Amino acid sequence: EVVLVESGGGLVEPGGSLRLSCAASGFSFSNYAMGWVRQAPGKGLEWVSAVCAGGGCTYYADSVRGQFTISRDNSKNTIFLQMDALRAEDTARYYCAKVRGSGTTIDYWGQGTLVTVSS
Amino acid sequence: QSALTQPASVSGSPGQSITISCTGSSSDLGSYNLVSWYQQYPGKAPKIMIYEVTKRPSGVSNRFSGSRSGNTASLTISGLQADDEADYYCCSYAGSSTWVFGGGTKLTV
Repeated sequence: EVVLVESGGGLVEPGGSLRLSCAASGFSFSNYAMGWVRQAPGKGLEWVSAVCAGGGCTYYADSVRGQFTISRDNSKNTIFLQMDALRAEDTARYYCAKVRGSGTTIDYWGQGTLVTVSS
Repeated sequence: QSALTQPASVSGSPGQSITISCTGSSSDLGSYNLVSWYQQYPGKAPKIMIYEVTKRPSGVSNRFSGSRSGNTASLTISGLQADDEADYYCCSYAGSSTWVFGGGTKLTV
């Protein structure tokens, strides 16, 4: 069974930083791309970032490029999202997501971790 | 990276069929047969219902079906049941490991 467990969310002031983590189990982690999708309160889903299986390639939505950094540690079956210069509009639940082997479909989601940016 | 367009809400009675549309552009939905649909209950994580336009993951009811024509994809739910009431999101692969979602559709049964 695929299980994704996010952590690291919380309340942060505007301009601050947070590092999210996602621990994965139930599949051969190092063989799959992974990513993050966020959902602002009462709003829809927004794809944020992805990292390829080996970790050497990263991808970002225009809205977070240069502000967020995705990475992974295949020895620990974990991905990370470093979020800097946070703004109120970054307030959202951040979901960790697994990408199917084809590399083109998000197939499993974690339960999410809530990030609130407020003074 | 503009969001795909979905109706904000649709409704139907138990036993009926409904269809949710999802419109994109030639750079995303229109370029790839890589549309997926997710069901989300309030406070829960999304669950994949359809992928690659028409494919159902194991365990998903065959009451759920997908299609695509040009820049528009559709999700059809037949034989509506009370527990189908949820938010539904379409998603298209947009190339180079990027994705774009629709704004979501609230289904009321």
